[in-house]
Amino acid sequence: VLTQSPATLSLSPGERASLSCRASQSVDKYLLWYQQKAGQAPRLLVYDTTNRATGIPARFSATGSGTDFTLTISRLEPEDFAVYYCQQGLYWPTFGQGTKVEF
Amino acid sequence: EVQLAESGGGLIQPGGSLRLSCAASGLTVGSKYMSWLRQAPGKGLQWVSIIYPGGDTYYAESVKGRFTISIDIYTNTVYLQMNNLRVEDTALYYCGGAHRPNVGDYWGQGTLVTVSS
Repeated sequence: VLTQSPATLSLSPGERASLSCRASQSVDKYLLWYQQKAGQAPRLLVYDTTNRATGIPARFSATGSGTDFTLTISRLEPEDFAVYYCQQGLYWPTFGQGTKVEF
Repeated sequence: EVQLAESGGGLIQPGGSLRLSCAASGLTVGSKYMSWLRQAPGKGLQWVSIIYPGGDTYYAESVKGRFTISIDIYTNTVYLQMNNLRVEDTALYYCGGAHRPNVGDYWGQGTLVTVSS
């Protein structure tokens, strides 16, 4: 089970966002992050805990290992307000419940 | 550029069947890990099924025995045959492709399946 916190993060453009994902058992390095905007498909941001997907801006960074993972957005841009999901890929793929980053 | 275009969704009664299609361009479905993902209205994401390049298939427990994923390499299309549909299968279904298993590199825009009497 993946547990994301907080459920909602209320911030302003230019601020730093820190999103947490905790796994109930180790998922090794197989932790991914997705961004989903309203009415759109998920977009892969990060794979293997720390690796940004193609085309993802450097303001997105991620760390972690085992059971505790963090996605950081260094300075929020207007287009970053969305829901963020973590996903583990070690076992049958499952997602956290999401963190909504709102303005 | 990879494009995935889902179709085949609609309103269906409980116990009915639907076949979803996903027309792919910019990637070859036979050489990638192709998946179906779903999202119930206002809810989170659930991985439904994966087909490996070698043909191995895997399913979420909730759909095992009812759903079947397949590909057609000639039309570069991925299918999801859904039988014995339940109300709880109501969701937006996304088709996805990836270079590795259990990853969603690319996703389509989804097709809506509504199971209701």
